[in-house]
Amino acid sequence: DTGVSQDPRHKITKRGQNVTFRCDPISEHNRLYWYRQTLGQGPEFLTYFQNEAQLEKSRLLSDRFSAERPKGSFSTLEIQRTEQGDSAMYLCASSTRETLGSYEQYFGPGTRLTVT
Amino acid sequence: AQSVTQLDSQVPVFEEAPVELRCNYSSSVSVYLFWYVQYPNQGLQLLLKYLSGSTLVKGINGFEAEFNKSQTSFHLRKPSVHISDTAEYFCAVDQNQGGKLIFGQGTELSVKP
Repeated sequence: DTGVSQDPRHKITKRGQNVTFRCDPISEHNRLYWYRQTLGQGPEFLTYFQNEAQLEKSRLLSDRFSAERPKGSFSTLEIQRTEQGDSAMYLCASSTRETLGSYEQYFGPGTRLTVT
Repeated sequence: AQSVTQLDSQVPVFEEAPVELRCNYSSSVSVYLFWYVQYPNQGLQLLLKYLSGSTLVKGINGFEAEFNKSQTSFHLRKPSVHISDTAEYFCAVDQNQGGKLIFGQGTELSVKP
């Protein structure tokens, strides 16, 4: 088990372009989360899935953002018509139910997006 | 609304000195509490977690934290820091048992020789 992986690690794009990020969770983890982290801030929740069902979306997730997890394994996060304010680190995490009902989230290395 | 406040944005400390990173949270329900560490250009790594039971929780790399329900605090401590502890530390809460984590803004720990 190699942990949570994300691809690409870095993405530079021009304003107005669409970008797509991929996250591969730890095998057998049924929950997958997306967070966004800007410089000097803590991660902010975007959305999460249990298997293929999207259970919660943040108000931060405007209609330019869409996330999918079609087969309950990997997930994609797409940003349409990127804006400079979208520049951030996009973090993915996965988890499964553990003792006492907790879900410890394991994070990937992140995808750093720069919109020029 | 649930929130997490890390009271110090930067904490400079000399090597081998003790350190405390402060975290307060607001929630009207029982929560799970976490501390994560983030090294430059990397993802987050779990240091320790409080789910229930003993209020003193021990984690990796010699860190520990104490849950104080009356103060709604979960401060992180280490009795003697190393240069390698230099990193960003985040406190987080989960009030929905497996839903989203709410993070504080982070504390940058800088250990000097």
